[in-house]
Amino acid sequence: QSALTQPASVAGSPGQSITISCTGTSSDVGAYDHVAWYQLHPGKAPKVMIYDVSIRPSGVSNRFSGSKSGNTASLTISGLQAEDEADYYCGSHTTSVTVVFGGGTKVTVL
Amino acid sequence: EVQLLESGGGLVQPGGSLRLSCAASGFTFSSYAMTWVRQAPGKGLEWVSAISGSGTSTYYADSVKGRFTISRDNSQNTLYLQLNSLRADDTAVYYCARAGPCTNCYWSWFDSWGQGTLVSVSS
Repeated sequence: QSALTQPASVAGSPGQSITISCTGTSSDVGAYDHVAWYQLHPGKAPKVMIYDVSIRPSGVSNRFSGSKSGNTASLTISGLQAEDEADYYCGSHTTSVTVVFGGGTKVTVL
Repeated sequence: EVQLLESGGGLVQPGGSLRLSCAASGFTFSSYAMTWVRQAPGKGLEWVSAISGSGTSTYYADSVKGRFTISRDNSQNTLYLQLNSLRADDTAVYYCARAGPCTNCYWSWFDSWGQGTLVSVSS
C-alpha cells in the first residue's frame, strides 16, 4: 500500500487560509468517506483534527475543515494562527481493511 | 480521561525481538479496536497493525506481516505488539492509539494516542 500524496510544505501568514491536499486512489481515499487528518507537534502525541472527511471532534477549532472530491481529500485551516504551525498527516481506511497515511505536510506560519 | 501509556521500547540488535505494551485507562478497553502506528526518525506516520475489541480480528501492514504480532488482554486493559526479526528500518517511535467509531468498518481514524515508545534497531 503506497502512502497518500501530500505536499511537503505549505506556508501562510497569520489570518490567511491554507489548504493541504491528500491524494490517494480508488482503493483508499476514493473508496470510502473515511479520511482523517492529524496534527503533530514535535514531542507530542498526534491529535486528530478531522475524521470521516469533514467531522471535527469535540474541542477542535472550527477554523479546521475537511472535504473530499474523488480520490483527493483536503484540509483547510482558516484564520491561520501561530499555534497551527505543525506537521499534518492525512489517513484513510483502505479496501484491504488497513489504514494508509500521507507523507505529511509541514505547515509554516510566516 | 483516556490514557494510553506505551512501554517496552529500547535498543535491540538486528534479528532480535521486543515486546511493546500499551496500558489503557479511562474507558471500557474491550469496546474499542486498537492500533499501533510508528514514525521513523525524520519520516512520516506508518500504520503498523490493528486489532478488534474482542481480539478476534487482526490486520498488519505488509512491511511487518509475518514478523510482528498484535494482541490484547482485555482483563488487564493492555495492548501488545510482539516484534520479531527486527531490522534497522523498524527503528521508530511506536504509538498505540484507540480507534474511533467507524461505520461499516473496524477502524479508520484514531481518537486517542499515547506518547510513544522508541525502538532502535542497531548493532
